[in-house]
Amino acid sequence: AQSVTQLGSHVSVSEGALVLLRCNYSSSVPPYLFWYVQYPNQGLQLLLKYTTGATLVKGINGFEAEFKKSETSFHLTKPSAHMSDAAEYFCAVSDNTGTYKYIFGTGTRLKVLA
Amino acid sequence: EPEVTQTPSHQVTQMGQEVILRCVPISNHLYFYWYRQILGQKVEFLVSFYNNEISEKSEIFDDQFSVERPDGSNFTLKIRSTKLEDSAMYFCASSELAVTYEQYFGPGTRLTVT
Repeated sequence: AQSVTQLGSHVSVSEGALVLLRCNYSSSVPPYLFWYVQYPNQGLQLLLKYTTGATLVKGINGFEAEFKKSETSFHLTKPSAHMSDAAEYFCAVSDNTGTYKYIFGTGTRLKVLA
Repeated sequence: EPEVTQTPSHQVTQMGQEVILRCVPISNHLYFYWYRQILGQKVEFLVSFYNNEISEKSEIFDDQFSVERPDGSNFTLKIRSTKLEDSAMYFCASSELAVTYEQYFGPGTRLTVT
């Protein structure tokens, strides 16, 4: 069975500092991996995805993530945090052998300090 | 940009009552999903729907739950007799094709059972 672990339910960074949100997955088949962001009172918005090909993927709002098979990781980074990045971030793995449902991590709430 | 919509945004109901949560997926999408998020917990898969039938359901999706696509645009989740533990945020998602892997989420319906 697939699973996702997000280390750190809350992360605080200063504005302009590096953002690093951690995601590790478990999958018996090649995973499809996603990062979603949720702003208060809004739905889940796709930041970026990895399916096949290049392991470093770039997303919206300056975020990127690198798929590392040897480490079973898909950490999300952004070189310089902005106040508008404050939100909840969810990592998900797709069940790519059936109905492609998502298995989500528990989420990380990012706080950006002025 | 097309988006998934959900109504109502917030529903309060008494234990034992029936509720119907409504979703309008993106018009050319073929795969539909319901997820839920109990406050403070991870987003969990409930059910997937394709070609007018359930393609997969989780252990959570028991006989109290049902889904329907009553017309060409709406996708509904019905809970027959609500329990306190059904209180959660319910997200609808749709996907153009399973092979694109990417799901588009609605803003959610917050269900409160009293």
